[in-house]
Amino acid sequence: QQPVQSPQAVILREGEDAVINCSSSKALYSVHWYRQKHGEAPVFLMILLKGGEQKGHDKISASFNEKKQQSSLYLTASQLSYSGTYFCGTEYGTGANNLFFGTGTRLTVIP
Amino acid sequence: NAGVTQTPKFQVLKTGQSMTLQCAQDMNHNSMYWYRQDPGMGLRLIYYSASEGTTDKGEVPNGYNVSRLNKREFSLRLESAAPSQTSVYFCASSEGTLPRNQPQHFGDGTRLSIL
Repeated sequence: QQPVQSPQAVILREGEDAVINCSSSKALYSVHWYRQKHGEAPVFLMILLKGGEQKGHDKISASFNEKKQQSSLYLTASQLSYSGTYFCGTEYGTGANNLFFGTGTRLTVIP
Repeated sequence: NAGVTQTPKFQVLKTGQSMTLQCAQDMNHNSMYWYRQDPGMGLRLIYYSASEGTTDKGEVPNGYNVSRLNKREFSLRLESAAPSQTSVYFCASSEGTLPRNQPQHFGDGTRLSIL
């Protein structure tokens, strides 16, 4: 039930854009996105509920395609501070044991 | 402004030893969680507590026990540590009693090595 993230790693230059995908083989209730810097705790970015909504936070936004059972995280005009590992978490129902995290996408932004 | 506090931050154990990882949150959250994070595996849920006095198994509960001491504190115990339990352990909390659609707030983690 673990979602599949792609790509596994990406290197960007400052100012470039990136897309991180999260796919599920089962119908989803919601998708979480978190960012984790090396040696630190994961930090919540956003939750998307089923209904195909799109959310944004500064220059980081995400979409949720319920029909395709996937979510995409968009990072535009990347900054050095965006470096880290991005995790998606997919919820399949009520209860904490219905939330599964992907293995992460390591994003490195270089000057 | 502490959020979720975990102790200790680092620990080395010998196989067969026991220890308790402590977690406390000051956000008045109802739900608390214990995850382990292994290279290439993502975060996996060990146990969770949707409210004070209740605990439930997650994806990988074997070899662990938990106690929800009160609303603030949720501890994780390894009774007889094994090398396979070498990992980074994260405690998290969320506001509602139903974890669904709730942002989770993570502690800084405990890096545990078992020799």
